[in-house]
Amino acid sequence: DAKTTQPTSMDCAEGRAANLPCNHSTISGNEYVYWYRQIHSQGPQYIIHGLKNNETNEMASLIITEDRKSSTLILPHATLRDTAVYYCIVRVVTGGGNKLTFGTGTQLKVEL
Amino acid sequence: DVKVTQSSRYLVKRTGEKVFLECVQDMDHENMFWYRQDPGLGLRLIYFSYDVKMKEKGDIPEGYSVSREKKERFSLILESASTNQTSMYLCASSLGTSGRANEQFFGPGTRLTVL
Repeated sequence: DAKTTQPTSMDCAEGRAANLPCNHSTISGNEYVYWYRQIHSQGPQYIIHGLKNNETNEMASLIITEDRKSSTLILPHATLRDTAVYYCIVRVVTGGGNKLTFGTGTQLKVEL
Repeated sequence: DVKVTQSSRYLVKRTGEKVFLECVQDMDHENMFWYRQDPGLGLRLIYFSYDVKMKEKGDIPEGYSVSREKKERFSLILESASTNQTSMYLCASSLGTSGRANEQFFGPGTRLTVL
């Protein structure tokens, strides 16, 4: 699976959009981009995933650049409860198991 | 809602003890996973299983074994616990391998301390 690079930490004011970048310059054509987050003392939680097109769900939006070498997770109106570590993962979706390789993620702190 | 439960939130064991960490999921998921999480290292995959009695090594299997006798239960075994196995252990499960079915659901974790 391709390696990802994320900033170690970011701050965001409550109510503003949080834009979390991820670099995956070695991504292959058949690799998806997944985002998970981990709130303190809990297990990671799935947020969103995509292949080429931008994606949106009730939690967030995922913007993938045309060359697919980077992506941005957008939390449109961050709240204090969005304070968490956010993981960007790229992986091939094949049959037989779907292991994820987590990096160290971005610690997002949402403040008043 | 999918529920993944782990037998203990906190566990303290002595060096050399055999340790069993149990994980149960209630949604008939095919795949189950064991990770450990350490500060500065993120989550690292120990073992995973995508069918009963099937197991595959992850990135750091040394010192661990697993058992999956029933679909809903995946056990992590430390044959002889060592202090460097002090960590947070997270279990996860997923339905399948395509699209949203790839989503992994995590348990709350077991913080294991080996003295």
